[in-house]
Amino acid sequence: EPEVTQTPSHQVTQMGQEVILRCVPISNHLYFYWYRQILGQKVEFLVSFYNNEISEKSEIFDDQFSVERPDGSNFTLKIRSTKLEDSAMYFCASSQEGQGNEKLFFGSGTQLSVL
Amino acid sequence: AQSVTQPDIHITVSEGASLELRCNYSYGATPYLFWYVQSPGQGLQLLLKYFSGDTLVQGIKGFEAEFKRSQSSFNLRKPSVHWSDAAEYFCAVGASGGGADGLTFGKGTHLIIQP
Repeated sequence: EPEVTQTPSHQVTQMGQEVILRCVPISNHLYFYWYRQILGQKVEFLVSFYNNEISEKSEIFDDQFSVERPDGSNFTLKIRSTKLEDSAMYFCASSQEGQGNEKLFFGSGTQLSVL
Repeated sequence: AQSVTQPDIHITVSEGASLELRCNYSYGATPYLFWYVQSPGQGLQLLLKYFSGDTLVQGIKGFEAEFKRSQSSFNLRKPSVHWSDAAEYFCAVGASGGGADGLTFGKGTHLIIQP
């Protein structure tokens, strides 16, 4: 079965540093998402992306966050100046056009630790 | 706003025994409901989903779930668990399918299988 691939699996950074989390969605998918899960808490929606622009974003997705599809295969999440509370597991997901959240394929996540 | 409650943080079940994981949701319209499973080091895998029609839905790995509108519940069941079922289980609710709306997840239930 096709997979969503996320790199790196673990990222450690200093507070205030910029981080870029990378995702390769499934090749024929057109909707892309980022979710995060703070340890012990629920998985939370951050942002969805379609047709090269943000479709929806949550309150969590403030000006410190940005997403980009720099080429035909990658989908990145950038945190401009990390805070301690950004420490979480970040999941990328993708779906085919017209299915949206009906059938999301999730990656295995990037564990971000902000020190 | 939509919400999902999974009242059990941990559940321990003996191998071969039956399983029921509880999920209650709050949503203004007819919800789209999902169960995902997360094994250690893995991404979120869709077990099953309910959109409409038959309120008892079958999923992968022998799981099923029943939508009960009167109780705002979507409990996950399996008649006989296997050691490989040990994982984190997430219930989620979403808006009508298609489009870019994010899912709202519960906090998850950690399933432990005793030999």
